[in-house]
Amino acid sequence: EPEVTQTPSHQVTQMGQEVILRCVPISNHLYFYWYRQILGQKVEFLVSFYNNEISEKSEIFDDQFSVERPDGSNFTLKIRSTKLEDSAMYFCASSERGTVGNEQFFGPGTRLTVL
Amino acid sequence: GNSVTQMEGPVTLSEEAFLTINCTYTATGYPSLFWYVQYPGEGLQLLLKATKADDKGSNKGFEATYRKETTSFHLEKGSVQVSDSAVYFCALTGLPGGYNKLIFGAGTRLAVHP
Repeated sequence: EPEVTQTPSHQVTQMGQEVILRCVPISNHLYFYWYRQILGQKVEFLVSFYNNEISEKSEIFDDQFSVERPDGSNFTLKIRSTKLEDSAMYFCASSERGTVGNEQFFGPGTRLTVL
Repeated sequence: GNSVTQMEGPVTLSEEAFLTINCTYTATGYPSLFWYVQYPGEGLQLLLKATKADDKGSNKGFEATYRKETTSFHLEKGSVQVSDSAVYFCALTGLPGGYNKLIFGAGTRLAVHP
């Protein structure tokens, strides 16, 4: 069964460093998303991406964040200069369509720890 | 603002017990409602969904009914198994101008013991 994969499963970095989190969405999906979950808090939407453009982003997704689909298979989230409060579990998701109610398939997540 | 509220966990049950996890929402427009489940070490998986009022979503013995009058989408299962132990997330999407982003509740951890 097709699945969304994410690498690495755990990333440890120093404050101020850049990190890139990688995701491989399901191959025929066209819509891609990043969410994050700070320990003990809700899963929060960060950004959605379609046709090589951001279609929506939250207030969390400031200038320190960027997303890219560098090739036909990967979807990346870059944090330019990490802060302590960026420590969280980051989930990638993809969906075949962007219509309301269309299922989003989630990856297992990357745990980011900023020291 | 738009939000989802779930009952706090953990919920601890014996095998074959009846399960209810409460979920209420606040939203403009007519959202679609979802339950996602996260098993240990895995990503979020869609458990069931309902896209309009009075719809009932069901899967693997779980069910939830979209109640517009009470803005609720409570998850129920008649007889839980140890393998149902996981974290359950209620979520909504389909807000005006919100494309397809999901808004999640805080999650409810369920522990089922033999």
